[in-house]
Amino acid sequence: EAQVTQNPRYLITVTGKKLTVTCSQNMNHEYMSWYRQDPGLGLRQIYYSMNVEVTDKGDVPEGYKVSRKEKRNFPLILESPSPNQTSLYFCASGEGRTVDTQYFGPGTRLTVL
Amino acid sequence: AQSVTQLDSHVSVSEGTPVLLRCNYSSSYSPSLFWYVQHPNKGLQLLLKYTSAATLVKGINGFEAEFKKSETSFHLTKPSAHMSDAAEYFCVVSDLTGGYNKLIFGAGTRLAVHP
Repeated sequence: EAQVTQNPRYLITVTGKKLTVTCSQNMNHEYMSWYRQDPGLGLRQIYYSMNVEVTDKGDVPEGYKVSRKEKRNFPLILESPSPNQTSLYFCASGEGRTVDTQYFGPGTRLTVL
Repeated sequence: AQSVTQLDSHVSVSEGTPVLLRCNYSSSYSPSLFWYVQHPNKGLQLLLKYTSAATLVKGINGFEAEFKKSETSFHLTKPSAHMSDAAEYFCVVSDLTGGYNKLIFGAGTRLAVHP
């Protein structure tokens, strides 16, 4: 089954404790992206990747890092999480540069205390 | 820059009555437009998309949307609501200015369906 998976689905952590949210897709898509969803703001793009070893900032990249060492994986790293990073995070993937349709993972709900 | 405005943050309908979720967009060129749905505790699912073909677009689960360039609108409709339609709906416009298809999301409309 074609899918985007994220782990963990739920995470509660404390300020400053480094964490990684994994994202994996099995559709051989070149494009992958991370979004955060906050009430009343819709989804905002954090980082995206057009291919292996190619990443770029989205609209809200501060406090986040990503890497793309393999085509299928695109982890999101919070090196020193802060409470304002409490949010619902979605990973997405799509095919090609003019990504017409993006496929979303189930989301990771992160709480930073 | 491309942007999208969803005119209602919450919409409440009775089961069996029509659904209308409103969306206006701003784009400097002919855009691609999408509607995504998010059911509770689930990821986003593509409902339908407009990519400059027919202006009336049919999607899954009986939803459809009409692209009206003169009104810069892309409203989502369904003739008869079902309880399972209760979810959050996002209107999305594509932005190709960065050399790839970046999605710009509206703030979302939460649809409640009452028996």
